[in-house]
Amino acid sequence: DSGVTQTPKHLITATGQRVTLRCSPRSGDLSVYWYQQSLDQGLQFLIQYYNGEERAKGNILERFSAQQFPDLHSELNLSSLELGDSALYFCASSVEELDNEQFFGPGTRLTVL
Amino acid sequence: AQSVTQPDIHITVSEGASLELRCNYSYGATPYLFWYVQSPGQGLQLLLKYFSGDTLVQGIKGFEAEFKRSQSSFNLRKPSVHWSDAAEYFCAVGGSRTNAGKSTFGDGTTLTVKP
Repeated sequence: DSGVTQTPKHLITATGQRVTLRCSPRSGDLSVYWYQQSLDQGLQFLIQYYNGEERAKGNILERFSAQQFPDLHSELNLSSLELGDSALYFCASSVEELDNEQFFGPGTRLTVL
Repeated sequence: AQSVTQPDIHITVSEGASLELRCNYSYGATPYLFWYVQSPGQGLQLLLKYFSGDTLVQGIKGFEAEFKRSQSSFNLRKPSVHWSDAAEYFCAVGGSRTNAGKSTFGDGTTLTVKP
């Protein structure tokens, strides 16, 4: 158990819908990272937040957005969902902004029908 | 741009045999290198990391990896594999101090352990 929690564990929805994935980092960690893992794209970095502010951006679609709240939990919002958005979404956390040692949550499996 | 190549998509070894998983990276400066393991339905767990110093790095679960700058490699090894080691293994290169979040992962190597 990494100490990073993600909810929900599974999510099934329809195309065109909007969903919110939630992540609580390890106690004391200020940085949160979001990743997408799919069969065709592998593990892709989406975005990083540190202490409430966006710090790095990867291959995140404009239909996706994220934020980190004052209590340091983070939410990833996915809108206008397409079949291709079906994937495992991982959250990771680390102590510092530039700390490369990340601890991963168990993931949220999103299925878009 | 940084990149990671794991040449072997799938490896099968017998229980008790030695293991080496290959990882090659491309990065302009001294990289931060990682190996993660992912069991089915689970998140990624960090096995070991290299930031600087001794090029032979010891990790958890009896794994080690060696950083070879001349070969741009960071291969993962274990002298005797256990059935519980069956999983998917990811090599990753971390960003610089200005883009630490932009870690790049390889496509993974699936390890099957034969009894």
